[in-house]
Amino acid sequence: AQSVSQHNHHVILSEAASLELGCNYSYGGTVNLFWYVQYPGQHLQLLLKYFSGDPLVKGIKGFEAEFIKSKFSFNLRKPSVQWSDTAEYFCAVILPNTGGFKTIFGAGTRLFVKA
Amino acid sequence: EAGVVQSPRYKIIEKKQPVAFWCNPISGHNTLYWYLQNLGQGPELLIRYENEEAVDDSQLPKDRFSAERLKGVDSTLKIQPAELGDSAVYLCASSLGIAGGEDEQFFGPGTRLTVL
Repeated sequence: AQSVSQHNHHVILSEAASLELGCNYSYGGTVNLFWYVQYPGQHLQLLLKYFSGDPLVKGIKGFEAEFIKSKFSFNLRKPSVQWSDTAEYFCAVILPNTGGFKTIFGAGTRLFVKA
Repeated sequence: EAGVVQSPRYKIIEKKQPVAFWCNPISGHNTLYWYLQNLGQGPELLIRYENEEAVDDSQLPKDRFSAERLKGVDSTLKIQPAELGDSAVYLCASSLGIAGGEDEQFFGPGTRLTVL
């Protein structure tokens, strides 16, 4: 069955540390890839997305993600995290399915940044 | 612009009671999604509408869950009767409706349901 795996459920970093959150999906065809973020007390919102072209995509707030097709991965990175990056991060994959397409979310990674 | 509106924000009911959730998507968004989010998990799609048509309800437990999107705008998700295992956050999202699902989904605040 198609699935999305986020390897770390909880991550704790100090400010200025580098961040990499893993995301792997299980589907052999073409996919669209997203990272969503949920800040404390707020709605889920889009961080960045990949459809085609340059596999390195840049999003808001200094985040970027790299699509590696051979590894079925779409890892999220940020060179230097801030306390305000404390949030829950969800990887999502859109693939062809009933009704045209299907969205599958990973279980999420809770990031806590220590000031 | 106004975001996706959901009500109520919180609901506590006893098992076997009915419950309904309401969603008003962003104006102009043709696609509407209902998701279920259990604690410690990501959102799981229950149903997706393109305008008033339910194009993917394969994950909706139809014995107790129902949904409607009359006139292709607002939507209501109902559970009857509710079970203890239905306790979760119910999220509504909307998007413009670009073919292939390439568009961003905008999420509402969710309704946190507790079944006692």
